[in-house]
Amino acid sequence: DIQMTQSPSSLSASVGDRVTLTCRTSQTITTYLNWYQQKPGKAPKLLIYATSSLQTGVPSRFSGSGSGTDFTLTISSLQPEDFATYYCQQSYSTSRSFGQGTKLEIK
Amino acid sequence: QVQLVQSGAEVKKPGSSVKVSCKASGGTFSRYAVSWVRQAPGQGLEWMGGIIPIFGTPNYAQKFQGRVTITADESTSTAFMELSSLRSEDTALYYCAREAFGSGYYDDWGQGTLVTVSS
Repeated sequence: DIQMTQSPSSLSASVGDRVTLTCRTSQTITTYLNWYQQKPGKAPKLLIYATSSLQTGVPSRFSGSGSGTDFTLTISSLQPEDFATYYCQQSYSTSRSFGQGTKLEIK
Repeated sequence: QVQLVQSGAEVKKPGSSVKVSCKASGGTFSRYAVSWVRQAPGQGLEWMGGIIPIFGTPNYAQKFQGRVTITADESTSTAFMELSSLRSEDTALYYCAREAFGSGYYDDWGQGTLVTVSS
């Protein structure tokens, strides 16, 4: 199975900050990388698919980039509703896998 | 708008099995794949396996091979996940998630089913 490593595991930031979350895979996945946001007690919500395509309804302050084994999710100006846990997921292999998550907390 | 509606919470004894269902309400599984993802308390998301209902052939994560069975009934737009030989570490919230065939991403999720394994 493809291993996914997210960094950092947690991050403290302030409203208005620009933050970048990283996801690294154990083998190349070209651009088959998706990002989800999860809030406590809720199911994950798709933010970005295929590395950089924004899901319908997701604010444009979210963006994704990368290829191969290294990927990033950037939030250009943090809003109060963005404090949550973020997961990356690969769809290169039919055996899907998720990263362990990055928890974004208010400073 | 399709909703994925899962069966209710379960409490099981160690060594037993549990079967969770996921029904597509207001739609079908045609042209979709369904995966099962679990989340232990305070932990991350873990992909368990998936199935394309119109083909019927499941695909499992290595970790769960031999212990999980995923099936689907296309006529009722319902997918099932059965996990056997339950242990306390299987206590988790189990989600079904739908993937448009070939898209690779999950844009619809069930509400989650809490399975508690306790003697």
